[in-house]
Amino acid sequence: NAGVMQNPRHLVRRRGQEARLRCSPMKGHSHVYWYRQLPEEGLKFMVYLQKENIIDESGMPKERFSAEFPKEGPSILRIQQVVRGDSAAYFCASSPFGGPDTEAFFGQGTRLTVV
Amino acid sequence: RKEVEQDPGPFNVPEGATVAFNCTYSNSASQSFFWYRQDCRKEPKLLMSVYSSGNEDGRFTAQLNRASQYISLLIRDSKLSDSATYLCVVSISGSARQLTFGSGTQLTVLP
Repeated sequence: NAGVMQNPRHLVRRRGQEARLRCSPMKGHSHVYWYRQLPEEGLKFMVYLQKENIIDESGMPKERFSAEFPKEGPSILRIQQVVRGDSAAYFCASSPFGGPDTEAFFGQGTRLTVV
Repeated sequence: RKEVEQDPGPFNVPEGATVAFNCTYSNSASQSFFWYRQDCRKEPKLLMSVYSSGNEDGRFTAQLNRASQYISLLIRDSKLSDSATYLCVVSISGSARQLTFGSGTQLTVLP
């Protein structure tokens, strides 16, 4: 049973370009969460999605960032017009349910570097 | 003030030592508490949940003090493989979403 798969593992973008980060949840998991980890900081919640729906995007920056989790295919975190401050590790997690005491399993992350 | 505060360390201890990490959280409405482990440049992995009654898993013991909003992790007989960053995590909703992570405490176990 493959774990949460994220790709690419490393992504380099120039300022102003778009970054697309992909996350395939574990088999049977329909709940996906995106977190960002800035250097020397803890992970920060960004968005929680269930198939085709955004449930909670309270941690998403208001501009340039968007996320989707289509009926078919992986969840995508999209960052438009990237800036240096977007450089971070972006982790995706998935769970089979969204209720209490549900463990979320994390992917290995995508390390975005904006040059 | 950070929502979850941890001593960043680093803690450098010899093999076999006992080491304790502490964590405080600011939101009294927090419902669920966890310790995660993160190896260098890898994903966080759940080490154990933390319950008010305290819980133990092999060499690891976790304690929660809701009145003081304080969480601890004790590692006994530390191994080289315990070297990692330990993340204190709380959840207000009690569910997997909106986990709030501390910045982590770095542990190095020395031979």
